[in-house]
Amino acid sequence: DTEVTQTPKHLVMGMTNKKSLKCEQHMGHRAMYWYKQKAKKPPELMFVYSYEKLSINESVPSRFSPECPNSSLLNLHLHALQPEDSALYLCASSQVLVGQGNAHEQFFGPGTRLTVL
Amino acid sequence: GENVEQHPSTLSVQEGDSAVIKCTYSDSASNYFPWYKQELGKRPQLIIDIRSNVGEKKDQRIAVTLNKTAKHFSLHITETQPEDSAVYFCAASSAYAGGTSYGKLTFGQGTILTVHP
Repeated sequence: DTEVTQTPKHLVMGMTNKKSLKCEQHMGHRAMYWYKQKAKKPPELMFVYSYEKLSINESVPSRFSPECPNSSLLNLHLHALQPEDSALYLCASSQVLVGQGNAHEQFFGPGTRLTVL
Repeated sequence: GENVEQHPSTLSVQEGDSAVIKCTYSDSASNYFPWYKQELGKRPQLIIDIRSNVGEKKDQRIAVTLNKTAKHFSLHITETQPEDSAVYFCAASSAYAGGTSYGKLTFGQGTILTVHP
């Protein structure tokens, strides 16, 4: 399996809802990433996990809460979001943390299109 | 932190022409430079990458060049085809723990490439 999968594909939520985004990979990768992407803009890094431990938090508001239950799964828990949080949320994985060794390539999932009303 | 600048923001070419996209980076510790292609509504996909110990890399119609002294790298697409139309992102990361992009990719702002038949 050489894919990163994400569910759901689309999500509409109100500002008082709690929801979760899920990401899964079975490539044996030990680094996983969450990005936020607005239309026609580059992916904006949110969180990085390395060996199931949070390695980087790019000063993301606490209404976004990441979780890495095991080496194959990455979740992003959402609570009390704002309309400006509407975006495409991309998950990615790499063999090890990008920059370590020679295994740099990040594989992206198809994303979850989030709309906050 | 690392800063990656990408030019041009839009590029329009006729089918069969060549296209060149240029990026500059600020962190001299950066040593991995991937290029991603993102079609409308789809995930970013790696098309080519280069490491700092290499000056040029080719893969069929695509090539990337790197000038470490000047801290810039470029994507060259020859014999462009309509299916090359997409947004292209350059990125940089560092393998050095003191580098400002260690553990993550810093993306350029993207280039919208349109290839006219």
